[in-house]
Amino acid sequence: AQKVTQAQTEISVVEKEDVTLDCVYETRDTTYYLFWYKQPPSGELVFLIRRNSFDEQNEISGRYSWNFQKSTSSFNFTITASQVVDSAVYFCALSEATGANNLFFGTGTRLTVIP
Amino acid sequence: KAGVTQTPRYLIKTRGQQVTLSCSPISGHRSVSWYQQTPGQGLQFLFEYFSETQRNKGNFPGRFSGRQFSNSRSEMNVSTLELGDSALYLCASTRTGKNTEAFFGQGTRLTVV
Repeated sequence: AQKVTQAQTEISVVEKEDVTLDCVYETRDTTYYLFWYKQPPSGELVFLIRRNSFDEQNEISGRYSWNFQKSTSSFNFTITASQVVDSAVYFCALSEATGANNLFFGTGTRLTVIP
Repeated sequence: KAGVTQTPRYLIKTRGQQVTLSCSPISGHRSVSWYQQTPGQGLQFLFEYFSETQRNKGNFPGRFSGRQFSNSRSEMNVSTLELGDSALYLCASTRTGKNTEAFFGQGTRLTVV
C-alpha cells in the first residue's frame, strides 16, 4: 500500500533561517512520482515540483531545493533564507504509475516564518 | 492563462440536502480530479474524469458522484448531506491526468449544519 508521512506537523522559524521539511513515502511500485505542493491561506494547492522515481538528482530552484533519496524513501524540501511569504502548509504527495493515477498526500507541515 | 475556477467558494447546507459544486479546468486540460480536505482525514481523492468518463474513483460512498461535460468542465454532487461532509473540496486539472503536475482551484468550502 502507498503512504506518505510528514512527521513535522508545525514548524516555526525566524525570517532568513533555513528550514527543511521532511517527507517519507512507501510504495510497492518501481515507477512512481513525488510532488510537493504549497497551500497558502487562500486554499488552492500550488504545484512546486514533480520527480519521477528514476531521477535521484537533487534539484534547486531559487531558494528552494529538494533532496530525493530512494535508499531512505525520502523526498525532503529545503527553503533557504526563509521569508514571511513562505508561510503556508506544505504537502508532499505520491502517485504510482500502475495505480489509479491519483495523488496520495501526506498530512502536511504548517510552516510559519516569523518576521 | 486562466487557472482552475471553482464555484461557489462557500456554501452552507442543511443535513439531508444535496449540493452541486462546479469546476472549470485550465483551457486544454482534459482531466479533472476532485479531492476532499478535512482536518481529520486530510486530502483524499474522490474521483477523476477524463474525456467525460470517470476514469478512477476513491473510497467514498455512492452519495458522492460527478460528471464531466464535453468542454471538460466538471461537477460533483453530494446527496443526502451529512455533518461529516463539511470540508474543502478541491478540483485539480491536468492535461492528460497521467502522473503529471496537477493545478488546483481555490476550492469550495462546504459547511453542513
